[in-house]
Amino acid sequence: EAGVAQSPRYKIIEKRQSVAFWCNPISGHATLYWYQQILGQGPKLLIQFQNNGVVDDSQLPKDRFSAERLKGVDSTLKIQPAKLEDSAVYLCASRPLGEGDQETQYFGPGTRLLVL
Amino acid sequence: DQQVKQNSPSLSVQEGRISILNCDYTNSMFDYFLWYKKYPAEGPTFLISISSIKDKNEDGRFTVFLNKSAKHLSLHIVPSQPGDSAVYFCAARGGADGLTFGKGTHLIIQP
Repeated sequence: EAGVAQSPRYKIIEKRQSVAFWCNPISGHATLYWYQQILGQGPKLLIQFQNNGVVDDSQLPKDRFSAERLKGVDSTLKIQPAKLEDSAVYLCASRPLGEGDQETQYFGPGTRLLVL
Repeated sequence: DQQVKQNSPSLSVQEGRISILNCDYTNSMFDYFLWYKKYPAEGPTFLISISSIKDKNEDGRFTVFLNKSAKHLSLHIVPSQPGDSAVYFCAARGGADGLTFGKGTHLIIQP
């Protein structure tokens, strides 16, 4: 079974530029998450989708960050304009519905963003 | 305010001995706890979990203990192997579906 795919793996941009990240979850996984992991910290949830609907975006800085999952499969996360403090690894994770008590999220390799 | 705390940034253990990684939490609403393992340049991979209705869960060399009254959980790895060297994240779920992670503990297994 293929894992969660993310691209690009690395991105370097200057502040005030725009950037977009792409995620392809595991086939059949209805729930998709985007996390931000700043160096030395644990991952922090930015947004959660179930199919193509947003479940939780309470920690997403909506003035500059946006995300969509139009067809309920792939997702894109965009930052516009980027700030220095956005330098981080952006992780995508997915989980199937109906796992009962389990909350096993499967993570992709992440996109490492450096804002100069 | 950190709701999940891993107070040891790093831990060094000799190969073959027991590794004990600790995690404390403050939110009483957390009902499910997980440990993830992360190698450099890879995403976190699920290791083991425990529901708040249990106090122990075991999977091979890995055992997680939960002390609800102390709001404390620990991960035991016995025996420790060189491939266990990685960063270990404690995570918790409560209410909302997303996970709250600690800062991680870098485990180093020495030969």
